[in-house]
Amino acid sequence: EAQVTQNPRYLITVTGKKLTVTCSQNMNHEYMSWYRQDPGLGLRQIYYSMNVEVTDKGDVPEGYKVSRKEKRNFPLILESPSPNQTSLYFCASSFGLLNNEQFFGPGTRLTVL
Amino acid sequence: AQKVTQAQTEISVVEKEDVTLDCVYETRDTTYYLFWYKQPPSGELVFLIRRNSFDEQNEISGRYSWNFQKSTSSFNFTITASQVVDSAVYFCALSEAYTNAGKSTFGDGTTLTVKP
Repeated sequence: EAQVTQNPRYLITVTGKKLTVTCSQNMNHEYMSWYRQDPGLGLRQIYYSMNVEVTDKGDVPEGYKVSRKEKRNFPLILESPSPNQTSLYFCASSFGLLNNEQFFGPGTRLTVL
Repeated sequence: AQKVTQAQTEISVVEKEDVTLDCVYETRDTTYYLFWYKQPPSGELVFLIRRNSFDEQNEISGRYSWNFQKSTSSFNFTITASQVVDSAVYFCALSEAYTNAGKSTFGDGTTLTVKP
């Protein structure tokens, strides 16, 4: 089944404790992206990647890191999480460079205390 | 910079009413792509439609229709004879082909509630 998977789905952590949210897709998509969703703010793009070893900042990259060492994986790293990073995070992938629709993962709900 | 505005934060209708969700976008690119996504209460994001800037044809899919007008920079979504299952948050999104290639901008979303 074609899908985007994210792990973990739920995470409660404390300020400053490094964490990684994994994202993997099995559709051989070149493009992958991370978004955060906050009430009333829609989806805001954090980072995106057009292909392996190519990443770039979205609109809200502060406090996040990403890497794209393999085509299928695009982990999101929070080196020192803070409470303002409490949010719902979505990973997405797309064939080509955004001229096609994005396929979204199920979301990761992160709470930073 | 690319921008998407969904002015309607929340809409409430009674089942079988028609409802239109507005989307206004800003871009300097001549080539761009517009999308609508649905997020039902279960939380997943579901693709509904894609339009490129060169295709202004309106589209109908069952009870759903989309009106793309470049002259007013709008890409509105109409649900005819709404049903309770249409209750969801709907997002309009924009991607540019050149200036911000790779960036995807979403509107803040419109929460549609369809009451029985």
